[in-house]
Amino acid sequence: QSVLTQPPSVSGAPGQRVTISCTGSSSNIGAGYDVHWYQQLPGTAPKLLIYANTNRPSGVPDRFSGSKSGTSASLAITGLQAEDEADYYCQSFDSSLSGYVVFGGGTKLTVL
Amino acid sequence: QVQLVQSGAEVKKPGASVKVSCKASGYTFGGHYIHWVRQAPGQGLEWMGWINPNSGDTNYAQKFQGRVTMTRDTSISTAYMELSRLRFDDTAVYYCARETRGGYYLDYWGQGTPVTVSS
Repeated sequence: QSVLTQPPSVSGAPGQRVTISCTGSSSNIGAGYDVHWYQQLPGTAPKLLIYANTNRPSGVPDRFSGSKSGTSASLAITGLQAEDEADYYCQSFDSSLSGYVVFGGGTKLTVL
Repeated sequence: QVQLVQSGAEVKKPGASVKVSCKASGYTFGGHYIHWVRQAPGQGLEWMGWINPNSGDTNYAQKFQGRVTMTRDTSISTAYMELSRLRFDDTAVYYCARETRGGYYLDYWGQGTPVTVSS
């Protein structure tokens, strides 16, 4: 049971827009801590996709965007491409005994 | 360029220990915490803890306290994660990752080290 809750799967056709939600609590996202997103392509290590809620590292296409409100955050992907098919994880800081770094359970994105 | 290169795959018996290394290059080793994250087959990411390479201070997830030890050797810019009293459910890919300074997120990751616990 992950501290942050994500839908297990989402899907969309090429060119469409999809969103992935990440729900936390008052000890993590709701306490004002930033949310970060990682993309994990099959068989590879996770890669930082969005940091501090809305920021993209150099090299990440602007098709990827993040937002945060209250105890939740979202990752949006527009103009879906086949290469976006991957697992996506949200991450935040938690001030309770759950741990310093907490992850969502991950969302599998399928491009139809 | 920043790189984290981990040691190779391990196969261990239940009750044994495993020690995974993570060699950093391309930046000042002491300037960034190193975190360890594991991923069981078909499962999500699980945070294990961090080490401050500069001071050697550590912070372990409650689940692993008493079984995990994180150390570093600054002379060779390498961090280590040792997990003892291995169980079958410790079978996973173990990743090291660098924390960006003050941001609480992980900006560079190692390639992962598969650890299999099998009798």
